[in-house]
Amino acid sequence: DADVTQTPRNRITKTGKRIMLECSQTKGHDRMYWYRQDPGLGLQLIYYSFDVKDINKGEISDGYSVSRQAQAKFSLSLESAIPNQTALYFCATSDSGGYGYTFGSGTRLTVV
Amino acid sequence: GDSVTQMEGPVTLSEEAFLTINCTYTATGYPSLFWYVQYPGEGLQLLLKATKADDKGSNKGFEATYRKETTSFHLEKGSVQVSDSAVYFCALLGGTSYGKLTFGQGTILTVHP
Repeated sequence: DADVTQTPRNRITKTGKRIMLECSQTKGHDRMYWYRQDPGLGLQLIYYSFDVKDINKGEISDGYSVSRQAQAKFSLSLESAIPNQTALYFCATSDSGGYGYTFGSGTRLTVV
Repeated sequence: GDSVTQMEGPVTLSEEAFLTINCTYTATGYPSLFWYVQYPGEGLQLLLKATKADDKGSNKGFEATYRKETTSFHLEKGSVQVSDSAVYFCALLGGTSYGKLTFGQGTILTVHP
């Protein structure tokens, strides 16, 4: 099994729908992250969590919410999807210093 | 705040050509610097890193030297292969980032036979 597993791998949804992207990790790390990748913009941080009770907004959190269900699980929700949220989404986990990041394979989301 | 700037892309090379992808950064304190690689359909993987000035990171024939005086961390490889085709991201872990990576915009590399 992969160290960081994201589901689904691909999703097409309609404008206005609520959608949840799920992430689980087996690294045993406390820190987890959600990033969005758009062509030419690199990775932008949406939300991050340094432990189960800690949730923080990143650079582009508007329109998104997260839930940290357990040390190993961190879900990203789009409450009402819009077309400009079409992107590749990555979940990651890291050690406490930030030197050992492990990324999932990504979820490609298309909002039509 | 912290920021990373990568050279404009994409980059297209023939096999065995020399590769340079430029990366400069802005950060307070003494950041650590990274290069990540993303192969098609996959997530990002750490390629190499350097944690202090003048350190050289290396892996799979790729190298990058942490230059504090020029705030740069350019990626180089002497002879690229078709299998090196990927997206390359420069990133930093700065003193004010509390363990969060800041990424550059990524450079698409395509290597032709």
